[in-house]
Amino acid sequence: EDQVTQSPEALRLQEGESSSLNCSYTVSGLRGLFWYRQDPGKGPEFLFTLYSAGEEKEKERLKATLTKKESFLHITAPKPEDSATYLCAVQAGTTSGTYKYFFGTGTRLKVLA
Amino acid sequence: DAMVIQNPRYQVTQFGKPVTLSCSQTLNHNVMYWYQQKSSQAPKLLFHYYDKDFNNEADTPDNFQSRRPNTSFCFLDIRSPGLGDAAMYLCATSRGGPAGGQFFGPGTRLTVL
Repeated sequence: EDQVTQSPEALRLQEGESSSLNCSYTVSGLRGLFWYRQDPGKGPEFLFTLYSAGEEKEKERLKATLTKKESFLHITAPKPEDSATYLCAVQAGTTSGTYKYFFGTGTRLKVLA
Repeated sequence: DAMVIQNPRYQVTQFGKPVTLSCSQTLNHNVMYWYQQKSSQAPKLLFHYYDKDFNNEADTPDNFQSRRPNTSFCFLDIRSPGLGDAAMYLCATSRGGPAGGQFFGPGTRLTVL
Protein backbone atom coordinates (compact mmCIF):
# COMPACT_ATOMS: atom_id res chain seq x y z
CA GLU A 1 0.00 0.00 0.00
CA ASP A 2 1.31 3.43 -0.93
CA GLN A 3 2.01 5.38 2.24
CA VAL A 4 3.84 8.43 3.54
CA THR A 5 4.74 8.69 7.23
CA GLN A 6 6.20 11.75 8.90
CA SER A 7 7.92 11.95 12.26
CA PRO A 8 7.85 13.37 14.78
CA GLU A 9 4.25 14.59 14.82
CA ALA A 10 5.29 17.66 16.77
CA LEU A 11 8.63 19.22 17.61
CA ARG A 12 9.55 22.08 19.92
CA LEU A 13 12.97 23.68 19.48
CA GLN A 14 14.76 26.56 21.06
CA GLU A 15 15.86 29.26 18.66
CA GLY A 16 19.19 28.16 17.18
CA GLU A 17 18.69 24.48 18.05
CA SER A 18 19.15 22.52 14.81
CA SER A 19 17.13 19.37 14.12
CA SER A 20 15.72 17.14 11.39
CA LEU A 21 12.25 16.10 10.30
CA ASN A 22 11.71 12.69 8.74
CA CYS A 23 9.50 11.52 5.89
CA SER A 24 9.48 7.82 5.09
CA TYR A 25 7.57 6.44 2.13
CA THR A 26 6.48 3.23 0.51
CA VAL A 27 5.25 3.88 -2.99
CA SER A 28 5.72 2.12 -6.25
CA GLY A 29 6.84 4.15 -9.21
CA LEU A 30 8.14 7.16 -7.28
CA ARG A 31 8.40 10.21 -9.52
CA GLY A 32 9.24 12.86 -6.96
CA LEU A 33 9.16 13.86 -3.31
CA PHE A 34 8.03 17.30 -2.21
CA TRP A 35 8.25 19.36 0.94
CA TYR A 36 5.73 22.05 1.83
CA ARG A 37 5.36 24.53 4.63
CA GLN A 38 1.86 25.23 5.91
CA ASP A 39 0.98 28.08 8.24
CA PRO A 40 -2.27 27.93 10.24
CA GLY A 41 -5.32 28.70 8.13
CA LYS A 42 -3.33 28.89 4.89
CA GLY A 43 -2.61 26.65 1.93
CA PRO A 44 0.67 24.72 1.77
CA GLU A 45 3.64 26.62 0.34
CA PHE A 46 5.94 24.68 -1.95
CA LEU A 47 9.53 24.36 -0.68
CA PHE A 48 11.48 21.64 -2.51
CA THR A 49 11.29 18.88 -5.07
CA LEU A 50 13.62 15.87 -4.91
CA TYR A 51 13.68 13.30 -7.68
CA SER A 52 16.42 10.79 -7.00
CA ALA A 53 18.31 9.24 -4.10
CA GLY A 54 21.31 11.31 -3.09
CA GLU A 55 19.77 14.57 -4.22
CA GLU A 56 19.90 17.58 -1.89
CA LYS A 57 18.23 21.00 -2.05
CA GLU A 58 18.79 24.03 0.18
CA LYS A 59 16.89 27.20 0.91
CA GLU A 60 18.00 29.54 3.68
CA ARG A 61 18.00 27.49 6.90
CA LEU A 62 16.35 24.44 5.29
CA LYS A 63 18.04 21.52 3.57
CA ALA A 64 16.18 18.54 2.12
CA THR A 65 17.79 15.20 1.36
CA LEU A 66 16.48 12.01 -0.21
CA THR A 67 17.33 8.31 0.06
CA LYS A 68 15.54 5.35 -1.48
CA LYS A 69 13.18 5.05 1.46
CA GLU A 70 13.06 8.40 3.22
CA SER A 71 13.70 12.10 3.12
CA PHE A 72 14.96 14.46 5.79
CA LEU A 73 14.30 18.14 6.19
CA HIS A 74 17.18 19.60 8.16
CA ILE A 75 16.62 22.90 9.91
CA THR A 76 19.79 24.73 10.88
CA ALA A 77 19.69 27.39 13.60
CA PRO A 78 15.91 27.82 13.37
CA LYS A 79 14.15 31.07 14.15
CA PRO A 80 10.64 31.59 15.56
CA GLU A 81 9.38 32.46 12.07
CA ASP A 82 10.20 28.90 10.98
CA SER A 83 7.32 27.70 13.16
CA ALA A 84 4.80 25.94 10.90
CA THR A 85 3.60 22.52 9.87
CA TYR A 86 5.93 20.87 7.36
CA LEU A 87 4.24 18.48 4.96
CA CYS A 88 5.88 15.83 2.84
CA ALA A 89 4.26 14.43 -0.29
CA VAL A 90 5.31 11.89 -2.90
CA GLN A 91 4.24 11.66 -6.51
CA ALA A 92 3.79 8.21 -7.98
CA GLY A 93 2.76 6.94 -11.35
CA THR A 94 -0.50 5.04 -11.76
CA THR A 95 -1.44 2.12 -14.00
CA SER A 96 -3.59 4.47 -16.08
CA GLY A 97 -0.59 6.62 -16.91
CA THR A 98 -1.48 9.55 -14.67
CA TYR A 99 0.16 10.61 -11.42
CA LYS A 100 -1.03 10.69 -7.82
CA TYR A 101 0.21 12.57 -4.80
CA PHE A 102 0.30 11.03 -1.32
CA PHE A 103 0.65 13.38 1.64
CA GLY A 104 1.96 12.72 5.11
CA THR A 105 0.16 14.18 8.11
CA GLY A 106 2.96 16.65 8.75
CA THR A 107 5.29 17.71 11.53
CA ARG A 108 4.16 20.68 13.61
CA LEU A 109 7.28 22.68 14.41
CA LYS A 110 7.37 25.28 17.14
CA VAL A 111 10.53 27.36 17.56
CA LEU A 112 10.77 29.22 20.85
CA ALA A 113 12.59 32.54 21.16
CA ASP B 1 2.63 37.21 -10.09
CA ALA B 2 1.40 33.84 -11.25
CA MET B 3 -0.83 32.35 -8.63
CA VAL B 4 -3.74 30.22 -7.50
CA ILE B 5 -6.76 32.14 -6.23
CA GLN B 6 -9.63 30.76 -4.23
CA ASN B 7 -12.94 32.41 -3.49
CA PRO B 8 -14.40 32.91 -1.05
CA ARG B 9 -11.78 32.60 1.67
CA TYR B 10 -14.48 31.85 4.23
CA GLN B 11 -17.87 30.31 3.51
CA VAL B 12 -20.66 29.70 5.97
CA THR B 13 -23.60 27.58 4.90
CA GLN B 14 -26.49 25.80 6.49
CA PHE B 15 -26.88 22.07 6.77
CA GLY B 16 -28.14 20.80 3.42
CA LYS B 17 -27.78 24.12 1.56
CA PRO B 18 -25.72 23.75 -1.64
CA VAL B 19 -22.47 25.65 -1.85
CA THR B 20 -19.94 26.29 -4.63
CA LEU B 21 -16.28 27.07 -4.10
CA SER B 22 -14.17 28.49 -6.90
CA CYS B 23 -10.54 28.33 -7.92
CA SER B 24 -8.67 30.16 -10.64
CA GLN B 25 -5.05 30.00 -11.72
CA THR B 26 -2.70 32.12 -13.80
CA LEU B 27 0.06 29.49 -13.93
CA ASN B 28 -1.35 27.87 -17.07
CA HIS B 29 -0.97 24.45 -15.46
CA ASN B 30 -2.95 21.68 -17.06
CA VAL B 31 -3.68 19.75 -13.85
CA MET B 32 -5.97 21.07 -11.11
CA TYR B 33 -6.80 19.39 -7.81
CA TRP B 34 -9.31 19.75 -5.01
CA TYR B 35 -8.33 18.67 -1.52
CA GLN B 36 -10.22 18.56 1.75
CA GLN B 37 -8.16 19.20 4.88
CA LYS B 38 -9.42 18.84 8.42
CA SER B 39 -7.58 20.03 11.48
CA SER B 40 -4.19 18.35 12.03
CA GLN B 41 -4.78 15.98 9.11
CA ALA B 42 -3.12 15.55 5.75
CA PRO B 43 -4.85 17.04 2.72
CA LYS B 44 -7.24 14.46 1.28
CA LEU B 45 -7.57 14.41 -2.50
CA LEU B 46 -11.18 14.66 -3.72
CA PHE B 47 -10.72 15.04 -7.48
CA HIS B 48 -8.27 16.11 -10.08
CA TYR B 49 -8.51 17.23 -13.68
CA TYR B 50 -5.80 16.33 -16.13
CA ASP B 51 -6.66 18.85 -18.83
CA LYS B 52 -10.37 18.15 -19.29
CA ASP B 53 -10.18 14.57 -18.04
CA PHE B 54 -11.94 14.26 -14.71
CA ASN B 55 -10.52 11.83 -12.11
CA ASN B 56 -12.60 11.01 -9.08
CA GLU B 57 -11.07 9.42 -6.01
CA ALA B 58 -12.85 6.18 -5.11
CA ASP B 59 -13.77 7.36 -1.62
CA THR B 60 -15.00 10.84 -2.54
CA PRO B 61 -18.66 11.09 -1.50
CA ASP B 62 -21.26 11.60 -4.24
CA ASN B 63 -22.21 14.79 -2.43
CA PHE B 64 -19.10 16.40 -3.93
CA GLN B 65 -18.88 17.32 -7.59
CA SER B 66 -16.55 19.39 -9.68
CA ARG B 67 -16.52 21.37 -12.90
CA ARG B 68 -13.66 22.73 -14.95
CA PRO B 69 -15.09 24.96 -17.70
CA ASN B 70 -11.67 26.04 -18.97
CA THR B 71 -7.95 25.77 -18.16
CA SER B 72 -8.02 28.60 -15.66
CA PHE B 73 -11.08 27.83 -13.56
CA CYS B 74 -12.29 24.94 -11.45
CA PHE B 75 -15.31 24.70 -9.15
CA LEU B 76 -16.19 22.44 -6.24
CA ASP B 77 -19.89 21.89 -5.64
CA ILE B 78 -21.17 20.43 -2.40
CA ARG B 79 -24.76 19.49 -3.03
CA SER B 80 -26.00 18.93 0.52
CA PRO B 81 -23.36 19.86 3.06
CA GLY B 82 -23.33 17.97 6.31
CA LEU B 83 -21.62 18.88 9.56
CA GLY B 84 -18.81 16.49 8.66
CA ASP B 85 -18.01 18.51 5.54
CA ALA B 86 -16.78 21.46 7.56
CA ALA B 87 -13.13 21.75 6.60
CA MET B 88 -10.54 23.73 4.67
CA TYR B 89 -10.85 23.14 0.93
CA LEU B 90 -7.63 23.54 -1.00
CA CYS B 91 -7.21 23.98 -4.72
CA ALA B 92 -3.85 23.13 -6.26
CA THR B 93 -2.31 23.06 -9.72
CA SER B 94 0.64 21.35 -11.31
CA ARG B 95 2.16 20.75 -14.70
CA GLY B 96 1.20 17.34 -16.01
CA GLY B 97 3.70 14.54 -15.65
CA PRO B 98 6.67 14.20 -13.28
CA ALA B 99 7.56 17.83 -13.63
CA GLY B 100 7.27 19.24 -10.18
CA GLY B 101 5.26 19.97 -7.11
CA GLN B 102 1.80 21.32 -6.66
CA PHE B 103 1.03 24.98 -6.10
CA PHE B 104 -1.75 25.64 -3.64
CA GLY B 105 -4.25 28.41 -3.22
CA PRO B 106 -4.93 29.95 0.19
CA GLY B 107 -7.91 27.68 0.79
CA THR B 108 -11.58 28.21 1.58
CA ARG B 109 -12.65 27.56 5.16
CA LEU B 110 -16.15 26.04 5.08
CA THR B 111 -18.38 26.20 8.15
CA VAL B 112 -21.65 24.24 8.22
CA LEU B 113 -24.27 25.37 10.72
